[in-house]
Amino acid sequence: NAGVTQTPKFQVLKTGQSMTLQCAQDMNHEYMSWYRQDPGMGLRLIHYSVGAGITDQGEVPNGYNVSRSTTEDFPLRLLSAAPSQTSVYFCASSRPGTGTYEQYFGPGTRLTVT
Amino acid sequence: EDKVVQSPLSLVVHEGDTVTLNCSYEVTNFRSLLWYKQEKKAPTFLFMLTSSGIEKKSGRLSSILDKKELFSILNITATQTGDSAVYLCLSSGSARQLTFGSGTQLTVLP
Repeated sequence: NAGVTQTPKFQVLKTGQSMTLQCAQDMNHEYMSWYRQDPGMGLRLIHYSVGAGITDQGEVPNGYNVSRSTTEDFPLRLLSAAPSQTSVYFCASSRPGTGTYEQYFGPGTRLTVT
Repeated sequence: EDKVVQSPLSLVVHEGDTVTLNCSYEVTNFRSLLWYKQEKKAPTFLFMLTSSGIEKKSGRLSSILDKKELFSILNITATQTGDSAVYLCLSSGSARQLTFGSGTQLTVLP
C-alpha cells in the first residue's frame, strides 16, 4: 500500500492564481481531511469528507474548495491564492469505525504565495 | 469552541532524562485523544486513548488519559536524541471536531 500520497511536494504561486493540491489514499478509508500547519499554531482542519459525495467545512475553510467524487481522491482547490495561504498542507485519512479518528497523514505540500 | 492546550511549548533535556508532556482539552462529544510525533515531515501516530486510567505503552513511551480532569500526559523515559521532535495531541469528537494542540517541541541534547 502507498498509504496517503500528495502532489506536488512544493509549489510557489503568485497572488490570485488558482491551483489544486492532489490527495489520494489506497486504504479504502471513508474519512479524508485537509489540514494546514502554520508555525506555532498546530494543524487546523480546512475541510473533511466522511465518504464519496459528502464534504463539509472544518475550522478554516475560507478560500478553499474540495470535492470527493471517489473514495480514493480528495483534491483541495485554492480559488484565488493569497499570501495568507502560505503554509504546509497535509491530507489525512482514517476509518472512523467506532467514531475515533486515527489519522494517517500524507507527506505534505509546502505552498508559498508571493 | 473546542480547545486543546499543550504544555510546555518547548523543552530541552539531555539524553537519559525523563520527560512528561501535557495535553488538556475542552471538547464536546469527546471520543478519543491521540498523540503524534512530527519530525519535520508528516505526523506519525503514537497512541490513541479512549478510556481513563488505562496506560498505553510502547517501548520508552507511555501515555494515560484522565477524562474527569480532561487531560492526558505523554511520558518518555531514558530520552535519546532521536526523540527530538514536535509532539502533537489531537482530540477527536465528531467528524468535524478534530482539534490539534499547538505541540510541544522536544529537543534532546547528547
